[in-house]
Amino acid sequence: QVQLVESGGGVVRPGRSLRLSCAASGFTFESHGLHWVRQAPGKGLEWVAVIWYDGSIQYYGDSVKGRFTISRDNFKNMLYLQLNSLRAEDTAVYYCARDHLYDNSWRLIDYWGQGTLVTVSS
Amino acid sequence: SSELTQDPAVSVALRQTVRITCQGDSLTYYYAIWYQQKPGQAPIVVIYGKNNRPFGIPDRFSGYTSGNTASLTITGAQAEDEADYYCASRDSSGNHWMFGGGTKLTVL
Repeated sequence: QVQLVESGGGVVRPGRSLRLSCAASGFTFESHGLHWVRQAPGKGLEWVAVIWYDGSIQYYGDSVKGRFTISRDNFKNMLYLQLNSLRAEDTAVYYCARDHLYDNSWRLIDYWGQGTLVTVSS
Repeated sequence: SSELTQDPAVSVALRQTVRITCQGDSLTYYYAIWYQQKPGQAPIVVIYGKNNRPFGIPDRFSGYTSGNTASLTITGAQAEDEADYYCASRDSSGNHWMFGGGTKLTVL
């Protein structure tokens, strides 16, 4: 079965950096795009970034563009998110999630990990 | 507009029918995906595409889109349906994704 397991969260000071990882299994990793989605405590879901199946293209949400970098290693079945210049408002649970193509042209974010908590605080 | 709008909260009596809506210009191009999220858990897909349910989602969940508004209907709501529901869609560029603000469903 599809499994996505995030790690790397923790408490970090404003302005510092952190790298999140997501270990994937149970599907053909190199055939799927992957997303990061975050959720601040008590708040809604916010899309963060997506990376194409082969790593060739990445897109970012406006609130993280220029500070966060999404990457992947298709040999290790791993997804990463590098978080730089962290701010208090980046405090959230960060989920990795799989992108799925269906009916030849429609896309869906289907499976999600359980998330890893990042707390930005001085 | 590049956003999806949902009512913050909706309530329904046990075994009655409830509709949760999501409004946004991108829904004229892309179908909404509906997620259910219970406290402390990751979201799960309940409806995607025109009206598709993943394996294991009860048939009391259904979806419909008209113009720029997508609807999730629960016919005969159960206590276990109490949760937050989010709609999601790609934006008009097709490259970015966005989520509605979420609707908290209370089953009375």
